[in-house]
Amino acid sequence: EPEVTQTPSHQVTQMGQEVILRCVPISNHLYFYWYRQILGQKVEFLVSFYNNEISEKSEIFDDQFSVERPDGSNFTLKIRSTKLEDSAMYFCASSDRDSPPEAFFGQGTRLTVV
Amino acid sequence: TQLLEQSPQFLSIQEGENLTVYCNSSSVFSSLQWYRQEPGEGPVLLVTVVTGGEVKKLKRLTFQFGDARKDSSLHITAAQPGDTGLYLCAGAANTNAGKSTFGDGTTLTVKP
Repeated sequence: EPEVTQTPSHQVTQMGQEVILRCVPISNHLYFYWYRQILGQKVEFLVSFYNNEISEKSEIFDDQFSVERPDGSNFTLKIRSTKLEDSAMYFCASSDRDSPPEAFFGQGTRLTVV
Repeated sequence: TQLLEQSPQFLSIQEGENLTVYCNSSSVFSSLQWYRQEPGEGPVLLVTVVTGGEVKKLKRLTFQFGDARKDSSLHITAAQPGDTGLYLCAGAANTNAGKSTFGDGTTLTVKP
């Protein structure tokens, strides 16, 4: 069964460092998303991406964040200068439609900022 | 800001019992998804409902979307230990391309 894959599964980084979280969405999907989940809290929307541009972003997704689809298969989330409060599980998701947005989620990357 | 409130937050029952969990909002959603999440893993999509009053069944799970598309319920018949997990509802509005708002979830424990 097709699945969304994310790497790495766990990333530890020092505060102020840049991190890139990588995702390979399901191959025929056109809509891509990043969500995050701080430990013990709800899943929060960060950004949606379609046709090589951002469709929607939340207030969390400030100038420190960026997304890119560098080739036909990868979808990345970059955090330019990590803060302690960026520690969370980051989930990539993809969908073959945006209405309704039936998102298939990856296993997540646990980001720990120390 | 659209909010989804799920209740109960925690539910612990014996194998074989029936249960219902609820997802409520004051906002109208164009669609609502139910997910199940295991610890340390991503949410897994169970079902999508789009029409007010819609009922969908997935084996022992019955999902209903409220007539006004503001609320939803998940009913599990004859719960099994394998049903244990975190159940999340997520709503999407027409005006937000692809953005889903998640509820806090209901943590279900089914004891053998």
